[in-house]
Amino acid sequence: GNSVTQMEGPVTLSEEAFLTINCTYTATGYPSLFWYVQYPGEGLQLLLKATKADDKGSNKGFEATYRKETTSFHLEKGSVQVSDSAVYFCALSDRDNYGQNFVFGPGTRLSVLP
Amino acid sequence: DAGVIQSPRHEVTEMGQEVTLRCKPISGHNSLFWYRQTMMRGLELLIYFNNNVPIDDSGMPEDRFSAKMPNASFSTLKIQPSEPRDSAVYFCASSFSHRGRVANQPQHFGDGTRLSIL
Repeated sequence: GNSVTQMEGPVTLSEEAFLTINCTYTATGYPSLFWYVQYPGEGLQLLLKATKADDKGSNKGFEATYRKETTSFHLEKGSVQVSDSAVYFCALSDRDNYGQNFVFGPGTRLSVLP
Repeated sequence: DAGVIQSPRHEVTEMGQEVTLRCKPISGHNSLFWYRQTMMRGLELLIYFNNNVPIDDSGMPEDRFSAKMPNASFSTLKIQPSEPRDSAVYFCASSFSHRGRVANQPQHFGDGTRLSIL
């Protein structure tokens, strides 16, 4: 079956540091890939997405590139801010008989210190 | 545009009581998902509806849990009787999907219901 693996957290960085959160996936089909962010006390929000190989999703300074050859979708940001402290979820969406099969990773907690 | 609307935002009740959580998906979306989130187990999919029909309920933990979607704009998740271990944040999410087409539509989440069973 389909699955998503993320790097273990928590990740603690200083403000303006470079961020990488690794994500790899297993899928039987040709999935779309997503990153979601969850701020404290809130629901998950879509951060970015990519729907085909070599696509780069980007939003709010975050980027991730769909790498089919390595089945990866790593999240990066060049300079993190305290306000980026949150839990980040990698996810994939693949077709099933009813239209969509969504799988989330376990989440990676990021803490950014001033 | 209105997002996914969940109610109540918080619920505190005593064990043994019936709990009903409500969700209004985004208009036009035809897939609806109920999730449970805890520190220990993370985000768990409980049940998934497509065009108001339950497709996969394998994540529903016990017979005490039931979910309905009587129409395209409303769903409920019911726990009866409730137990302290049911305490969690429950999320509803919706999306649009079409059989046979690329599954590139994201899920949109509500703000969740924080449930505490005493």
